[in-house]
Parts: sequence; C-alpha cells; structure tokens
Amino acid sequence: GGIITQTPKFLIGQEGQKLTLKCQQNFNHDTMYWYRQDSGKGLRLIYYSITENDLQKGDLSEGYDASREKKSSFSLTVTSAQKNEMAVFLCASSIDSGRYEQYFGPGTRLTVL
Amino acid sequence: GDQVKQSPSALSLQEGTNSALRCNFSIATTTVQWFLQNPRGSLMNLFYLVPGTKENGRLKSTFNSKESYSTLHIRDAQLEDSGTYFCAASPSSSFSKLVFGQGTSLSVVP
Repeated sequence: GGIITQTPKFLIGQEGQKLTLKCQQNFNHDTMYWYRQDSGKGLRLIYYSITENDLQKGDLSEGYDASREKKSSFSLTVTSAQKNEMAVFLCASSIDSGRYEQYFGPGTRLTVL
Repeated sequence: GDQVKQSPSALSLQEGTNSALRCNFSIATTTVQWFLQNPRGSLMNLFYLVPGTKENGRLKSTFNSKESYSTLHIRDAQLEDSGTYFCAASPSSSFSKLVFGQGTSLSVVP
C-alpha cells in the first residue's frame, strides 16, 4: 500500500499571484498527474510526468507550470491566479504510463480573492 | 461534445434498493475506472476494468468496449454509498490519460 499527500489542503491567493501546490507519493510509482476539478464537474488533466524531470501537457495546461523534482514529488504552479477562481486540484499516481490504475490524493482547494 | 457521458446526473435511492449507473463513451476506450467521491472531496477507487465484469461486495461493474459503455450496479444500497460516482476512460489514443465523466450524485435515504 501507499499514500499520496497534498499540501496545502486549502490555499487562498490574490489575483495575479503565483501559487504552488505540492504532491508526494510513497507508492514508488513512475507516473504522476495533476487534475483540476471545478464545482459539480468531472476532473480534467493539467499535466503529467512519466518519470523524474519529465513533463507532458494535458488538456488544461495553459496558465500552469509543473515540476517533477524527484520520483516521489510533483509540484504544480498557478502562474497568475484569476480573480474569483475556485477549484480543487487533485494529484494522482500510477505504476507507469501504460494502462494502469491511477490513485488520487485528497486534493488542494484553491480560492482566489 | 462530451467524450464520457454519465447518466443519470443525480439519483435518490431508498436504503435497501438496487440501481445502475451508466457511462457511454464516444472515444475508443481501453480501460475504465470507477470512483466514489465523498463530501470531503476524496476519490476512492472502486473498479479498474479491462473489457469484462468485476464484482466487489454489493457493487458490480461491466465494461463493454465493443458497444462503448460501462455500468456500475449497486445492490442493497446503504447510507454510506451516498456521494458522487465518476467513471473515467483511458483513451486508446493516449492511455496515460483519464477522461472523466461529469459524475452521478447519489443520495441514499432511509
């Protein structure tokens, strides 16, 4: 078994601010993902990484940067927070980038004032 | 349009009854995952499916790749089954991704 932790749980920012969200996993999985969930909607892929220092864009990468510093951690940066933005950002991991089950962290809830 | 369409969007069930949730896919899909999201937002893995059927306790799920759909059957619904159910497809064109449906909000009432 393993666990995915995300920090912080809640993030409040100001318009135009650069904000960073962090994710750690101890599954020893190769592939990690960042998804965004808007209220009442399904998840959409922002970025994923198949190994350390790799980055692949998802459907929603504009306005975000990501960094895979080491195998166990994957960071997401909102480059310029949009006023009244509210969403939950969920991190996930899988054994590798093939057809494997993805496991999710508890999420970071973002509010921009 | 929606590549993964879930139905119904919302459902209320009496405790002890049965129901089925459905996902239709408009993209070629290799595998399907089903999740339950609790009110705090955590996603719990329910099933990971290649074409075929799996069962776990009161839950049973089928993925039919030829007809592009998946179902999740809930038997003897309990209060703790309440939450939002999501299906997610792994497309043949890019099986690293998951494409999510919009979710089915299930409320089980006494």
